[in-house]
Amino acid sequence: DGGITQSPKYLFRKEGQNVTLSCEQNLNHDAMYWYRQDPGQGLRLIYYSQIVNDFQKGDIAEGYSVSREKKESFPLTVTSAQKNPTAFYLCASSMGQGSTEAFFGQGTRLTVV
Amino acid sequence: GQQVMQIPQYQHVQEGEDFTTYCNSSTTLSNIQWYKQRPGGHPVFLIQLVKSGEVKKQKRLTFQFGEAKKNSSLHITATQTTDVGTYFCAKGTSGSRLTFGEGTQLTVNP
Repeated sequence: DGGITQSPKYLFRKEGQNVTLSCEQNLNHDAMYWYRQDPGQGLRLIYYSQIVNDFQKGDIAEGYSVSREKKESFPLTVTSAQKNPTAFYLCASSMGQGSTEAFFGQGTRLTVV
Repeated sequence: GQQVMQIPQYQHVQEGEDFTTYCNSSTTLSNIQWYKQRPGGHPVFLIQLVKSGEVKKQKRLTFQFGEAKKNSSLHITATQTTDVGTYFCAKGTSGSRLTFGEGTQLTVNP
């Protein structure tokens, strides 16, 4: 069953704690993405990776970190430096080169209290 | 970042009315993609446009890419309640970066 999996679906953390969101894909896609979505708003690009061991900052990378040690995995860490981390986080993957469709995971809703 | 502007932000229609959302860029686009996100869901790919002046249809949905490749539109004919959701355009680049517009949230009154 091919697809992109994000876990967990809901996540609660205390302010000041780092938290890592998981994203796994078995589509053999080269490119992977992390977006943040706030209520009633669009998708803002946090980080993206074109290939293993490489990643680029998006429009709102401050307070976030990523790694791409395996083709299948692109975890996102929300650090304590992120001032407003409560949001809906979406991971996506594509064949790459920005010219093919992106497939999205179900998303992780992070709440920091 | 190099954004794509999308209008309107919200659109309320009566079932059976038509709906159009527009996507504009200040720079020439290599391609434009359209996605739909149902309430509580995740974005799902609808279509990609690549050629200048391209028009593609999917049942009641018509997608257009401007002649200058700086704008695009999505038109829905005779909306249904199943069309409810947020419609996003997204621009891709040769470097795999995929940037989304802010979306148009469509509500349909039965």
